[in-house]
Amino acid sequence: DAKTTQPPSMDCAEGRAANLPCNHSTISGNEYVYWYRQIHSQGPQYIIHGLKNNETNEMASLIITEDRKSSTLILPHATLRDTAVYYCIVRVAGGRDDKIIFGKGTRLHILP
Amino acid sequence: NAGVTQTPKFQVLKTGQSMTLQCAQDMNHEYMSWYRQDPGMGLRLIHYSVGAGITDQGEVPNGYNVSRSTTEDFPLRLLSAAPSQTSVYFCASSETGAHPYGYTFGSGTRLTVV
Repeated sequence: DAKTTQPPSMDCAEGRAANLPCNHSTISGNEYVYWYRQIHSQGPQYIIHGLKNNETNEMASLIITEDRKSSTLILPHATLRDTAVYYCIVRVAGGRDDKIIFGKGTRLHILP
Repeated sequence: NAGVTQTPKFQVLKTGQSMTLQCAQDMNHEYMSWYRQDPGMGLRLIHYSVGAGITDQGEVPNGYNVSRSTTEDFPLRLLSAAPSQTSVYFCASSETGAHPYGYTFGSGTRLTVV
Protein backbone atom coordinates (compact mmCIF):
# COMPACT_ATOMS: atom_id res chain seq x y z
CA ASP A 1 0.00 0.00 0.00
CA ALA A 2 1.02 3.59 -0.59
CA LYS A 3 2.56 5.25 2.44
CA THR A 4 1.14 8.68 1.69
CA THR A 5 -2.24 10.38 2.01
CA GLN A 6 -3.35 13.17 -0.31
CA PRO A 7 -6.66 14.96 -0.89
CA PRO A 8 -8.40 13.51 -3.93
CA SER A 9 -8.86 16.85 -5.68
CA MET A 10 -8.10 20.56 -5.41
CA ASP A 11 -8.88 23.72 -7.36
CA CYS A 12 -6.58 26.67 -7.88
CA ALA A 13 -7.07 29.91 -9.79
CA GLU A 14 -4.71 30.52 -12.69
CA GLY A 15 -1.79 32.72 -11.66
CA ARG A 16 -2.10 31.86 -7.98
CA ALA A 17 0.14 29.54 -6.00
CA ALA A 18 -1.06 25.95 -5.79
CA ASN A 19 -0.26 24.29 -2.48
CA LEU A 20 -0.65 20.51 -2.52
CA PRO A 21 -0.42 18.77 0.87
CA CYS A 22 0.78 15.25 1.60
CA ASN A 23 0.87 13.23 4.80
CA HIS A 24 3.54 10.55 5.27
CA SER A 25 3.44 9.97 8.99
CA THR A 26 5.20 6.57 8.85
CA ILE A 27 8.17 7.77 6.79
CA SER A 28 11.50 6.20 7.72
CA GLY A 29 14.77 8.02 8.14
CA ASN A 30 16.18 6.73 4.84
CA GLU A 31 13.11 7.49 2.75
CA TYR A 32 12.94 10.44 0.42
CA VAL A 33 9.80 12.36 -0.51
CA TYR A 34 9.24 12.51 -4.28
CA TRP A 35 6.58 14.35 -6.24
CA TYR A 36 5.44 13.38 -9.73
CA ARG A 37 2.60 14.54 -11.92
CA GLN A 38 0.68 12.88 -14.71
CA ILE A 39 -0.92 14.99 -17.39
CA HIS A 40 -3.85 13.26 -19.06
CA SER A 41 -2.69 9.80 -20.16
CA GLN A 42 1.02 10.54 -20.46
CA GLY A 43 3.71 8.86 -18.39
CA PRO A 44 4.32 10.46 -14.98
CA GLN A 45 6.81 13.31 -14.89
CA TYR A 46 9.29 13.92 -12.08
CA ILE A 47 8.86 17.27 -10.31
CA ILE A 48 11.05 17.42 -7.23
CA HIS A 49 12.30 15.41 -4.28
CA GLY A 50 13.83 15.95 -0.85
CA LEU A 51 14.98 14.23 2.32
CA LYS A 52 14.53 16.76 5.12
CA ASN A 53 15.47 20.18 3.79
CA ASN A 54 13.21 22.38 1.72
CA GLU A 55 13.99 22.18 -1.99
CA THR A 56 13.31 24.42 -4.97
CA ASN A 57 13.79 23.95 -8.68
CA GLU A 58 12.48 25.57 -11.84
CA MET A 59 9.14 23.78 -11.54
CA ALA A 60 8.21 23.90 -7.89
CA SER A 61 9.15 24.13 -4.22
CA LEU A 62 8.97 21.34 -1.68
CA ILE A 63 8.42 22.15 1.97
CA ILE A 64 8.99 19.25 4.41
CA THR A 65 7.99 19.65 8.04
CA GLU A 66 10.69 19.30 10.66
CA ASP A 67 9.32 15.94 11.86
CA ARG A 68 9.12 14.82 8.18
CA LYS A 69 5.57 13.55 8.65
CA SER A 70 4.11 15.82 6.01
CA SER A 71 5.11 17.96 3.07
CA THR A 72 3.67 20.53 0.68
CA LEU A 73 4.36 20.94 -3.00
CA ILE A 74 4.09 24.54 -4.14
CA LEU A 75 3.56 25.56 -7.76
CA PRO A 76 4.23 29.29 -7.45
CA HIS A 77 2.23 30.60 -10.41
CA ALA A 78 -0.16 27.95 -11.63
CA THR A 79 -1.10 27.85 -15.29
CA LEU A 80 -3.71 25.83 -17.16
CA ARG A 81 -0.94 23.46 -18.22
CA ASP A 82 -0.46 22.48 -14.58
CA THR A 83 -3.82 20.70 -14.59
CA ALA A 84 -2.81 17.11 -13.76
CA VAL A 85 -2.82 14.38 -11.13
CA TYR A 86 -0.04 14.97 -8.60
CA TYR A 87 1.49 12.05 -6.74
CA CYS A 88 3.41 12.27 -3.47
CA ILE A 89 5.62 9.24 -2.89
CA VAL A 90 8.13 8.08 -0.32
CA ARG A 91 11.03 6.06 -1.63
CA VAL A 92 13.98 4.19 -0.23
CA ALA A 93 16.57 5.33 -2.75
CA GLY A 94 18.94 2.46 -3.38
CA GLY A 95 19.09 -1.22 -2.52
CA ARG A 96 16.65 -4.08 -3.00
CA ASP A 97 13.76 -2.11 -1.46
CA ASP A 98 14.11 0.73 -3.96
CA LYS A 99 10.64 0.89 -5.48
CA ILE A 100 7.92 3.45 -5.97
CA ILE A 101 4.37 2.66 -4.89
CA PHE A 102 1.91 5.20 -6.23
CA GLY A 103 -1.19 6.20 -4.30
CA LYS A 104 -4.29 7.81 -5.80
CA GLY A 105 -2.77 11.28 -5.96
CA THR A 106 -4.46 14.70 -6.03
CA ARG A 107 -6.27 15.83 -9.15
CA LEU A 108 -5.44 19.54 -9.49
CA HIS A 109 -7.79 21.70 -11.53
CA ILE A 110 -6.47 25.09 -12.58
CA LEU A 111 -9.39 27.46 -13.08
CA PRO A 112 -9.13 30.25 -15.69
CA ASN B 1 19.59 9.69 -26.19
CA ALA B 2 16.09 8.20 -26.59
CA GLY B 3 15.28 7.78 -22.87
CA VAL B 4 12.80 4.96 -22.17
CA THR B 5 11.32 3.33 -25.26
CA GLN B 6 8.25 1.12 -25.08
CA THR B 7 6.94 -1.02 -27.92
CA PRO B 8 4.33 -1.50 -29.16
CA LYS B 9 2.29 1.62 -28.42
CA PHE B 10 -1.01 -0.17 -29.01
CA GLN B 11 -1.93 -3.87 -28.97
CA VAL B 12 -5.12 -5.91 -29.15
CA LEU B 13 -4.94 -9.51 -27.94
CA LYS B 14 -7.40 -12.33 -27.76
CA THR B 15 -8.01 -14.04 -24.46
CA GLY B 16 -5.40 -16.74 -23.90
CA GLN B 17 -2.79 -15.28 -26.22
CA SER B 18 0.67 -14.47 -24.93
CA MET B 19 2.86 -11.51 -25.79
CA THR B 20 5.85 -9.52 -24.67
CA LEU B 21 5.86 -5.80 -24.02
CA GLN B 22 9.26 -4.37 -24.71
CA CYS B 23 11.05 -1.71 -22.67
CA ALA B 24 14.51 -0.38 -23.43
CA GLN B 25 16.53 2.48 -21.95
CA ASP B 26 19.80 3.97 -23.12
CA MET B 27 20.73 5.87 -19.97
CA ASN B 28 22.62 3.01 -18.26
CA HIS B 29 20.08 3.02 -15.45
CA GLU B 30 20.33 0.19 -12.96
CA TYR B 31 16.69 0.38 -11.90
CA MET B 32 13.71 -0.51 -14.09
CA SER B 33 10.08 -1.20 -13.32
CA TRP B 34 6.70 -1.93 -14.88
CA TYR B 35 3.38 -0.37 -13.89
CA ARG B 36 -0.17 -0.79 -15.08
CA GLN B 37 -2.81 1.92 -15.00
CA ASP B 38 -6.47 1.10 -15.33
CA PRO B 39 -8.92 3.80 -16.45
CA GLY B 40 -9.37 6.49 -13.80
CA MET B 41 -6.96 4.75 -11.45
CA GLY B 42 -3.45 5.27 -10.18
CA LEU B 43 -0.39 3.30 -11.23
CA ARG B 44 0.22 -0.13 -9.72
CA LEU B 45 3.66 -1.72 -9.62
CA ILE B 46 3.88 -5.10 -11.38
CA HIS B 47 7.58 -6.04 -11.25
CA TYR B 48 10.83 -4.19 -10.74
CA SER B 49 14.56 -4.77 -11.07
CA VAL B 50 17.44 -3.11 -9.25
CA GLY B 51 20.00 -4.43 -11.71
CA ALA B 52 20.77 -7.02 -14.37
CA GLY B 53 19.91 -10.52 -13.16
CA ILE B 54 17.73 -9.25 -10.28
CA THR B 55 13.94 -8.98 -10.36
CA ASP B 56 11.30 -8.62 -7.66
CA GLN B 57 7.53 -8.68 -7.50
CA GLY B 58 5.53 -5.54 -7.00
CA GLU B 59 1.89 -5.08 -5.98
CA VAL B 60 0.19 -6.99 -8.81
CA PRO B 61 2.61 -9.57 -10.29
CA ASN B 62 0.18 -12.41 -11.08
CA GLY B 63 -0.10 -13.21 -14.77
CA TYR B 64 3.15 -11.46 -15.66
CA ASN B 65 6.77 -12.56 -15.98
CA VAL B 66 9.90 -10.46 -16.30
CA SER B 67 13.60 -11.02 -16.82
CA ARG B 68 16.59 -8.67 -16.79
CA SER B 69 19.43 -10.19 -18.77
CA THR B 70 20.92 -6.82 -19.75
CA THR B 71 20.99 -3.37 -18.15
CA GLU B 72 19.18 -1.88 -21.14
CA ASP B 73 16.15 -4.15 -21.51
CA PHE B 74 13.32 -5.18 -19.21
CA PRO B 75 10.59 -7.06 -21.13
CA LEU B 76 7.21 -7.84 -19.58
CA ARG B 77 5.58 -11.12 -20.62
CA LEU B 78 1.87 -11.81 -20.45
CA LEU B 79 1.58 -15.58 -20.22
CA SER B 80 -2.11 -16.04 -21.06
CA ALA B 81 -3.89 -12.75 -21.61
CA ALA B 82 -7.16 -12.10 -19.79
CA PRO B 83 -9.65 -9.22 -20.20
CA SER B 84 -8.65 -8.06 -16.68
CA GLN B 85 -5.23 -7.24 -18.09
CA THR B 86 -6.67 -4.57 -20.35
CA SER B 87 -4.75 -1.51 -19.22
CA VAL B 88 -2.06 1.02 -20.05
CA TYR B 89 1.39 -0.28 -19.18
CA PHE B 90 4.24 2.06 -18.27
CA CYS B 91 7.91 1.21 -17.98
CA ALA B 92 10.24 3.38 -15.90
CA SER B 93 13.95 3.54 -15.24
CA SER B 94 16.22 5.31 -12.79
CA GLU B 95 19.68 5.40 -11.40
CA THR B 96 19.63 3.85 -7.96
CA GLY B 97 20.04 6.21 -5.09
CA ALA B 98 18.43 9.61 -4.78
CA HIS B 99 19.04 10.62 -8.36
CA PRO B 100 17.93 14.21 -8.91
CA TYR B 101 15.68 13.35 -11.81
CA GLY B 102 13.91 10.44 -10.18
CA TYR B 103 12.30 8.03 -12.56
CA THR B 104 12.00 8.43 -16.31
CA PHE B 105 8.81 6.95 -17.71
CA GLY B 106 8.09 5.64 -21.18
CA SER B 107 5.07 6.81 -23.15
CA GLY B 108 3.09 3.66 -22.41
CA THR B 109 1.61 0.64 -24.18
CA ARG B 110 -2.17 0.53 -24.47
CA LEU B 111 -3.28 -3.10 -24.31
CA THR B 112 -6.79 -4.36 -24.96
CA VAL B 113 -7.65 -8.02 -24.35
CA VAL B 114 -10.88 -9.18 -25.98
